Amino acid sequence: DIQMTQSPSSLSASVGDRVTITCRASQGIRNDLGWYQQKPGKAPKRLIYGATSLQSGVPSRFSGSGSGTEFTLTISSLRPEDFATYYCLQHNSYPLTFGGGTKVEIK
Amino acid sequence: QVQLVQSGTEVKEPGASLKVSCKTSGYTFTNYGISWVRQAPGQGLEWMSWISPYDGKTHYAQKVQGRVTMTTDTSTSTAYMELRSLRSDDTAVYYCVRGPHLNPSGSYFMGEDWGQGTLVTVSS
Repeated sequence: DIQMTQSPSSLSASVGDRVTITCRASQGIRNDLGWYQQKPGKAPKRLIYGATSLQSGVPSRFSGSGSGTEFTLTISSLRPEDFATYYCLQHNSYPLTFGGGTKVEIK
Repeated sequence: QVQLVQSGTEVKEPGASLKVSCKTSGYTFTNYGISWVRQAPGQGLEWMSWISPYDGKTHYAQKVQGRVTMTTDTSTSTAYMELRSLRSDDTAVYYCVRGPHLNPSGSYFMGEDWGQGTLVTVSS
């Protein structure tokens, strides 16, 4: 099984800060990775697919990079509505696996 | 637009069985797999299983293999997930998700569309 190691597990940041979240795969997964935002009581919302492609309707302050084993989600300038938990998901092979999540909190 | 609408909240006793439905619309049901994902209270997301509505092929996470059965009804574009021998640690919100394909690599639609979630509580 492919393990997805996500870091950090939580972070405190201020509005306007640049935020970076990383997922590392235990083996190469090409670009078969998505990033998701989840707010309490809601289903996850996809932000990025194919590791680098922005989901339609998602603000351009979100971006994804990486391929193979190392992936990054960047929020260029944090806004109040971005405080949430973020997950990566690999769909290179079964079983699909999520990263452990990153909770972004207000500093 | 694509929609996945799940059945409602369930409360079950330990040892019982559960069946959650996921009615889809807005796309050709047999062209895309359906995954089931769950989230225990305060915990992260956990992928459980996948089924192809086209031919019934399945994949399971080892943690639930043997206790979960997925089925589909192509006449109503509905997917079902049955979980047996329920335990307290099965308490979670269960989501159906469109995707991926039998070969998940390159399935860039994976995770674009989710059901609203079904809260399942297992308690005596």
